[in-house]
Amino acid sequence: DQQVKQNSPSLSVQEGRISILNCDYTNSMFDYFLWYKKYPAEGPTFLISISSIKDKNEDGRFTVFLNKSAKHLSLHIVPSQPGDSAVYFCAASTAGNNRKLIWGLGTSLAVNP
Amino acid sequence: DTEVTQTPKHLVMGMTNKKSLKCEQHMGHRAMYWYKQKAKKPPELMFVYSYEKLSINESVPSRFSPECPNSSLLNLHLHALQPEDSALYLCASSLLSGRGQPQHFGDGTRLSIL
Repeated sequence: DQQVKQNSPSLSVQEGRISILNCDYTNSMFDYFLWYKKYPAEGPTFLISISSIKDKNEDGRFTVFLNKSAKHLSLHIVPSQPGDSAVYFCAASTAGNNRKLIWGLGTSLAVNP
Repeated sequence: DTEVTQTPKHLVMGMTNKKSLKCEQHMGHRAMYWYKQKAKKPPELMFVYSYEKLSINESVPSRFSPECPNSSLLNLHLHALQPEDSALYLCASSLLSGRGQPQHFGDGTRLSIL
């Protein structure tokens, strides 16, 4: 059973516009959520995280929003750049074992010039 | 540049060979991880070391044998692998203190089993 779901396998956006990547989860015990970006032939790169006690975290062009009641989070990238084209993974951790991440299947983002 | 260094970048081996994957970090992280990643899939956790001790083994077959010689190094010894073990093997590290500490990944070893 997939505890972290990224229902959009792919997303295409024009350069300069906003990219919105979505993630849903089922386990209410998750206390941290993280977003990773992955280019081909490289390891995942940490982008931004959010604690379950917050509803928003911002870092430059990247903002993560958390809606606990809906068990939904989203990553906003604005403005989108061609270099943002990559696979984006949503991951979650539980308070009991914070060293184990539960991963979504990823969303492939293409930013078109 | 990644702060977690993995060698080799590519490895081709036969099913009877013995080889080792190496991982090194100098960020002072005391948690280190091995993951396996297949194409178009998320990383799949294999092992976690905390303070150089194995804390999580995700029921990985014994043909994979991890080792943590010191706080900066992590090895994965391979023996009698199967073709389905061909994948990208990723090492990661993180701080132990504080929840939500992100894991930092190396670029992986692309392993092909003939």
